[in-house]
Amino acid sequence: DSGVTQTPKHLITATGQRVTLRCSPRSGDLSVYWYQQSLDQGLQFLIQYYNGEERAKGNILERFSAQQFPDLHSELNLSSLELGDSALYFCASSVAGRAANEQFFGPGTRLTVL
Amino acid sequence: AQSVTQLDSQVPVFEEAPVELRCNYSSSVSVYLFWYVQYPNQGLQLLLKYLSGSTLVESINGFEAEFNKSQTSFHLRKPSVHISDTAEYFCAVSDSGAGSYQLTFGKGTKLSVIP
Repeated sequence: DSGVTQTPKHLITATGQRVTLRCSPRSGDLSVYWYQQSLDQGLQFLIQYYNGEERAKGNILERFSAQQFPDLHSELNLSSLELGDSALYFCASSVAGRAANEQFFGPGTRLTVL
Repeated sequence: AQSVTQLDSQVPVFEEAPVELRCNYSSSVSVYLFWYVQYPNQGLQLLLKYLSGSTLVESINGFEAEFNKSQTSFHLRKPSVHISDTAEYFCAVSDSGAGSYQLTFGKGTKLSVIP
């Protein structure tokens, strides 16, 4: 158990819909990362937050957005969903958000878009 | 931009045999290197990392990796594998400069240990 929790574990929805994935980082970690893992693209970095502010952005679609709240939990919002958005979405946290810091991964949310 | 190439998508190996999982990276700057392991239906766990200093790094469960700057490689090795090592292994790289935070992952290598 990494100490990072993600809800829900599984999510099945239809095209065009909007969903919210939630992540609670390890106690004391200020930085949260979101990754998407799919069969064709592999594991891709989406976005990083540090202490409530966006710090780095990767291959995140405009239909996707995220935020980190004052209690440090984070939410990833996916809208206008397409079949290709079906993937495993991971959240990770680290103590300070620098490249050298170990990232602790949650168990992931499996999103299926029908 | 950085990239990571894991040359083998699947590696089957017999129990107690040695294994090498290959990783090459491309970067124009100094890097940090990582190996993560993903067991079935779980998130990723850090196996080992190279930040600086000795180019040979070891994990607590017998894996080791060697940073080779001239060959831009960070291959993962274990002299004798166990059934419990069956998992997917991801090599990752990060820019070591100030202001860098994110990891770039390879596509992963599935290690299957055969009894």
